[in-house]
Amino acid sequence: GNSVTQMEGPVTLSEEAFLTINCTYTATGYPSLFWYVQYPGEGLQLLLKATKADDKGSNKGFEATYRKETTSFHLEKGSVQVSDSAVYFCALTTDSNYQLIWGAGTKLIIKP
Amino acid sequence: DADVTQTPRNRITKTGKRIMLECSQTKGHDRMYWYRQDPGLGLRLIYYSFDVKDINKGEISDGYSVSRQAQAKFSLSLESAIPNQTALYFCATSGVDSTDTQYFGPGTRLTVL
Repeated sequence: GNSVTQMEGPVTLSEEAFLTINCTYTATGYPSLFWYVQYPGEGLQLLLKATKADDKGSNKGFEATYRKETTSFHLEKGSVQVSDSAVYFCALTTDSNYQLIWGAGTKLIIKP
Repeated sequence: DADVTQTPRNRITKTGKRIMLECSQTKGHDRMYWYRQDPGLGLRLIYYSFDVKDINKGEISDGYSVSRQAQAKFSLSLESAIPNQTALYFCATSGVDSTDTQYFGPGTRLTVL
């Protein structure tokens, strides 16, 4: 079946550090891949997405590249800020399944 | 105004009580979803609705029921609440394409004593 695996958190970094949050997936068909972010006390919101292999999604300085050969969609940011502290979720859908399949989420803590 | 609203935002109730969580959206979308979030488990789908007459069970529908009163309204009921239903509940809505963004409400924190 379809599944998403994320690196466990919390991930704690200092401000201006480089961020990588790993996400790998298992899917039948041709999945679309998403990163959602949940700031403290809020609902989830889309951060970025990629709908086919080799696509790069980007937003707010975050990037992720859809790598079909490694079934990965790792989230990266070159210089994190305290305001990036949140929980990040990787997710996928496939053409045959309109439901989002979610990873467990990775909590990111940025210290000043 | 928020695109997706949920009421109440917080609720404490007792075992055996019936509880209804309400969701409204102004996105004009046909598709709506109810999720449950537990620490370390991510989001799990309870029910989803592709339109007013199309309601489907998700991964963890036991103990829950839903009603789609209109395109914009989708409510979740716990017929007889139990403590392991203590969680954060989210409503979401999306367009009809599998690549469409899901838009989430702010969540309802439910505690069952």
